[in-house]
Amino acid sequence: AQKVTQAQTEISVVEKEDVTLDCVYETRDTTYYLFWYKQPPSGELVFLIRRNSFDEQNEISGRYSWNFQKSTSSFNFTITASQVVDSAVYFCALTLSGNTPLVFGKGTRLSVIA
Amino acid sequence: ETGVTQTPRHLVMGMTNKKSLKCEQHLGHNAMYWYKQSAKKPLELMFVYSLEERVENNSVPSRFSPECPNSSHLFLHLHTLQPEDSALYLCASSPRTYDNSPLHFGNGTRLTVT
Repeated sequence: AQKVTQAQTEISVVEKEDVTLDCVYETRDTTYYLFWYKQPPSGELVFLIRRNSFDEQNEISGRYSWNFQKSTSSFNFTITASQVVDSAVYFCALTLSGNTPLVFGKGTRLSVIA
Repeated sequence: ETGVTQTPRHLVMGMTNKKSLKCEQHLGHNAMYWYKQSAKKPLELMFVYSLEERVENNSVPSRFSPECPNSSHLFLHLHTLQPEDSALYLCASSPRTYDNSPLHFGNGTRLTVT
């Protein structure tokens, strides 16, 4: 069975600090997809990134970066120079190729204080 | 218009009431999903529809009754709910079911059962 663990329930940082959100996943399949979503106070989950299991390249998008390491089954998310607008709940999720649903972690609530 | 729209945003109902949640997507997707988000729990997949046909029912109690009249609309009919059913109910869509593409979420309906 697939599982996603986000051990950090809540994180609080001061604006402009860097913060890393951890995600550890479990699967026996060799082909899978990992996702990060952001849920701001408005409620909707916003897609941030998808990564497949064959692409271990790290990705950077503005202040956001993702570190995918198959050796540790981790897909961590770093926000550089955090801003108040980054305050949200962030979800890591996993799905396999084929007809399987998305499995979400419990989420990490990030609070960025001005 | 936003891609996935849910109404109402907030709903308070007694345990003997009957109400319905509505979801509409304007993305031309063929798959639609209902998720339940409770405090401190992972998102729970409730129902999945593909081209108006239900393809998954994750052991959801019969007091929740989904309806998908066409690929753009999804309803969740509620009756004789329990207080533990209070949660954020999220609708999502994707081009096809479980095709590894990102889900597009609505803002959710915050349901309170008194």
